[in-house]
Formats: sequence, structure tokens, C-alpha cells
Amino acid sequence: QVQLMQSGAEVKMPGASVKVSCKASGYIFTGYHMHWVRQAPGQGLEWMGWINPNSGGTNYAQKFQGRVTMTRDTSITTSFMELNSLRSDDTAVYYCARDRNSMASAGVPNWFDPWGQGTLVTVSS
Amino acid sequence: EIVLTQSPDTLSMSPGERATLSCRASQSVSSYLAWYQQKPGQAPRLLIYDASKRATGIPARFSGSGSGTDFTLTISSLEPEDFAVYYCQQRTDWPYGFTFGPGTKVDIK
Repeated sequence: QVQLMQSGAEVKMPGASVKVSCKASGYIFTGYHMHWVRQAPGQGLEWMGWINPNSGGTNYAQKFQGRVTMTRDTSITTSFMELNSLRSDDTAVYYCARDRNSMASAGVPNWFDPWGQGTLVTVSS
Repeated sequence: EIVLTQSPDTLSMSPGERATLSCRASQSVSSYLAWYQQKPGQAPRLLIYDASKRATGIPARFSGSGSGTDFTLTISSLEPEDFAVYYCQQRTDWPYGFTFGPGTKVDIK
């Protein structure tokens, strides 16, 4: 079955960077867009961007442009999300989520299904 | 940027009742709208996509409707496991960005 396994919780100082990984299994990794979403404590969901694991192409939410980088390593079927210049308000659970539809069937990013278990990133001095 | 507004913020219901949740977009999103359910401590789960299509494994008591700017998620008869937060989400055309609504919490009356 499709599984997305994310890396463990992180604690970072303000100004530092964090890199969260998302290990995919149970499907053809390069066939589906991968999305990243975050959720601050007690708050709603915030889309950060997506990556096309086949081409490496990305689209980032305007809010994060210049501060976020999404990459992938097809040899280990893993996607990565790196966020720089961390601030206290970056404290959140970060989720990866696979696109529901394959690129072969839909061609473009669509809906998010399934999701990883989430990675808590705490930014604190 | 398209903004999604959800109402009400909180819906206090009893099991067995019918729940109606609303999502409004600041401009037309056609049928590019989805609904997600999130329970405490869990990742969100896709319920409805393309405004009215149920995702795999989602019970028939969940239904979605609407197009353009006004959308509705209906839960025909609330089960105990349905008490959760529900988010709507839209997708724009190229370069295919996404935004979520602020969520509606369905809690037990």
C-alpha cells in the first residue's frame, strides 16, 4: 500500500535551517506530484508548494518563495523540504502529501491523498 | 489570490443529525474544490474532490456539491467518528497553486 514516512521531530534555533524528508513506498515515485503543507499549533492548514519528482520542477507558495526548497532523490524515493531563516512562527507540523492522481492520468497537480504522518519542527532559542 | 471562507466556525451537533458545512471562494474556482477531514493528532484525510466526487473508501453519508464560488459539504447522519475539523481547498490554474479555508469544527452538542 502507499506509504509516506516522514523524518522525526526537530528543534531549531531562530535563523537556522531545517530539512524534512518524506520516504515514499508502494507506488511509482516519479509518477505523482508531492505536496508540502504545514500546520501551526492550533491553526489551520497552509500549502507550501509541490514538486514533480520526475522532472524536479517545483511551484512554491508566494509566502515561502526564497526561503523554501523542495528536492527529491529518486534513487531512494524520498522527497525533501528545506526551510531557511527559521523564525518562531515557523513552529508547526510539516506534512508531505502525495497527489491523488498520477501525472499520466491527470497531468497536473490535483488533490492530496494520502498524507505523511507529519513532522513537528519547533523553532526556539 | 483566491481566498476561501468557511462557515460556521463551529457546528455543534448530535449523532444522527444532518450537518451542512459551507465554503465560499472569493472568485470562481469552477469545480476545483476539495474537502478534508482532520481529527486531533492525525493528518488530514481527503473526503471529496472535484467538488462532488467521494475519495476512495469514504462513506456515502459524505457528499459535496456546488461550483463557481459556493460549495457545501453535507454529512447526512453524523456518526461518532465524524466529529472533527473540516477544511475546504481550492486549486488555481497554472502554475497550480492551492489554498485552504480556515476550517469548520464539528463538535458534539
